[in-house]
Amino acid sequence: DAGITQSPRHKVTETGTPVTLRCHQTENHRYMYWYRQDPGHGLRLIHYSYGVKDTDKGEVSDGYSVSRSKTEDFLLTLESATSSQTSVYFCAISESRGRQETQYFGPGTRLLVL
Amino acid sequence: AQSVTQLGSHVSVSEGALVLLRCNYSSSVPPYLFWYVQYPNQGLQLLLKYTSAATLVKGINGFEAEFKKSETSFHLTKPSAHMSDAAEYFCAVRGSGGGADGLTFGKGTHLIIQP
Repeated sequence: DAGITQSPRHKVTETGTPVTLRCHQTENHRYMYWYRQDPGHGLRLIHYSYGVKDTDKGEVSDGYSVSRSKTEDFLLTLESATSSQTSVYFCAISESRGRQETQYFGPGTRLLVL
Repeated sequence: AQSVTQLGSHVSVSEGALVLLRCNYSSSVPPYLFWYVQYPNQGLQLLLKYTSAATLVKGINGFEAEFKKSETSFHLTKPSAHMSDAAEYFCAVRGSGGGADGLTFGKGTHLIIQP
């Protein structure tokens, strides 16, 4: 399972409140990613990180921020949650073997914004 | 820019029948292609990947996929469906930018196995 954990696994919150999701990895991977999964959309990239304090935006970054102060932790923050951010959030890492890179996913966090 | 199209949001086959899930991609650079499977209330599990070493790729659980550049396709097949294959399947593409490239996913195909 590539040593990826996500917390919390489930969360219910109210519109306008801040929410932080945590992704933790144990294998010192450089690249980490946050995706959201919605019916009919597959998975879409929110933000990614290519090292400590190095992050960049993905396809659907509006309303989200990220931080990576340690190699093992990648945090996703919803500054002021909205109902449109109700989704399942997946963290992923990229594992390199030679020139091949493969992404492996965590178990996901189900977020409901009321 | 890359994109992935999965034809058919739902595919239903009988147990023991051939499974064919379609994936077409567009990419401005030589692509790396992936199939992932998601069982209910679980994360994504890698089924197989194409990384230019061979056009026919074998994966786990008896699945395989063939990369056809002329057709920009990477269809997933399994000769004989099993009830345990019922799941959501995602095709994904990544450019050649290494780890800095996130994956671009198709919208998924829900595979239903009829007894």
